[in-house]
Amino acid sequence: EIELTQSPATLSLSPGERATLSCRASQSVGNYLAWYQQKPGQSPRLLIHDASNRATGVPARFSGSGSETDFTLTISSLDPEDFAVYFCQQRINWPITFGQGTRLEIK
Amino acid sequence: QVQLQQWGAGLLKPSETLSLTCVVRGGSVSGYYWSWIRQPPGKGLEWIGEIKHSGSTNYNPSLKSRVTILLDTSKNQFSLKLNSVSAADTAVYYCAREDGNSGGAFDIWGQGTMVTVSS
Repeated sequence: EIELTQSPATLSLSPGERATLSCRASQSVGNYLAWYQQKPGQSPRLLIHDASNRATGVPARFSGSGSETDFTLTISSLDPEDFAVYFCQQRINWPITFGQGTRLEIK
Repeated sequence: QVQLQQWGAGLLKPSETLSLTCVVRGGSVSGYYWSWIRQPPGKGLEWIGEIKHSGSTNYNPSLKSRVTILLDTSKNQFSLKLNSVSAADTAVYYCAREDGNSGGAFDIWGQGTMVTVSS
């Protein structure tokens, strides 16, 4: 099973600041890495697929980068609606696994 | 616009069987993998298993002995059964579509069903 480790667990920033979230895989996942945003009481929402491709309707301030074992989700300028929990996910191997999440909170 | 609508019993006793169904509205089950994912209160996401439009399945080894996922193409829906539940199975359960054009990412999710296991 491929483990995904996200850091930091919690990130405290202010609106307008830049957010950088990390996801590290225990072995290579190629580019089969996705990022999701989840707000309280809601289902997860796909942001990034194939490591760096924005899903339909996702604002350009969200970007993904990385390959193999190290990946980054960057939010260039935080909007108040961006404060949520973010998960990474791999599907190069079964079982499909998720990171434990990074909580992005308002400072 | 494709949507997933799910339903099932929300309160179970230990040793009972969890049963959930997810219907695909505005699209077809053909051509995709369909998954079940769960999230214990305040915790992260755990993939349970998937079924392909052909009917072939893959399950998480941690749950494989208790899980069955079925597809009903005539009703455009798929279902989850989890046997012998315990308090550890208390979670929000989601159905989701895997998009092969997006590296298998889960692009569409159901609204979630809270399942509580308690005596």
